[in-house]
Amino acid sequence: NAGVTQTPKFQVLKTGQSMTLQCAQDMNHNSMYWYRQDPGMGLRLIYYSASEGTTDKGEVPNGYNVSRLNKREFSLRLESAAPSQTSVYFCASSEAGGQGLLKQYFGPGTRLTVT
Amino acid sequence: GIQVEQSPPDLILQEGANSTLRCNFSDSVNNLQWFHQNPWGQLINLFYIPSGTKQNGRLSATTVATERYSLLYISSSQTTDSGVYFCAVDPGEYGNKLVFGAGTILRVKS
Repeated sequence: NAGVTQTPKFQVLKTGQSMTLQCAQDMNHNSMYWYRQDPGMGLRLIYYSASEGTTDKGEVPNGYNVSRLNKREFSLRLESAAPSQTSVYFCASSEAGGQGLLKQYFGPGTRLTVT
Repeated sequence: GIQVEQSPPDLILQEGANSTLRCNFSDSVNNLQWFHQNPWGQLINLFYIPSGTKQNGRLSATTVATERYSLLYISSSQTTDSGVYFCAVDPGEYGNKLVFGAGTILRVKS
């Protein structure tokens, strides 16, 4: 099992350019997440998808869109990149049990620089 | 919303020393998880521990849900333990998502 995979690993964009970050998981999890991590800070939730066909905003959704393409894949799109979106982006997935979320697993991250 | 506080914010250890990291949360939760982010940025789930104690090698974790805290114990620390340790809680009321603490930065010196 590959777990959670993300592409690309690194990306440099100019202000105003667009791009899509891809995420896939092979653990048959219902829930998937996108986080950003800025230097010296913790993880902030951008968007999440509790199940296929649903998406919800997290703590910092402005400037981003998401698509839950199917149960395996959850993409994050920057329509018009800004320098403030320079960050490391992590995708994660987990299953939900009777007592809430089960273990959450993270992808390797995408390091994005916007100049 | 729920507050998650981790202490200490920074910790420097000599190799072989023991340490205890703490996570306090302000409201009842469905579960709690501990993560380690290594110096290369990879995030690994260490424990899923809604209550009680679990052990994994030199690491163990205890959650006392009724008193709203969790502890992560690292014994006989090694340089490979360096990185950032995050705790995260599932409050339940906000849907299927975790709320993360700010993390504890651990440096283990040889």
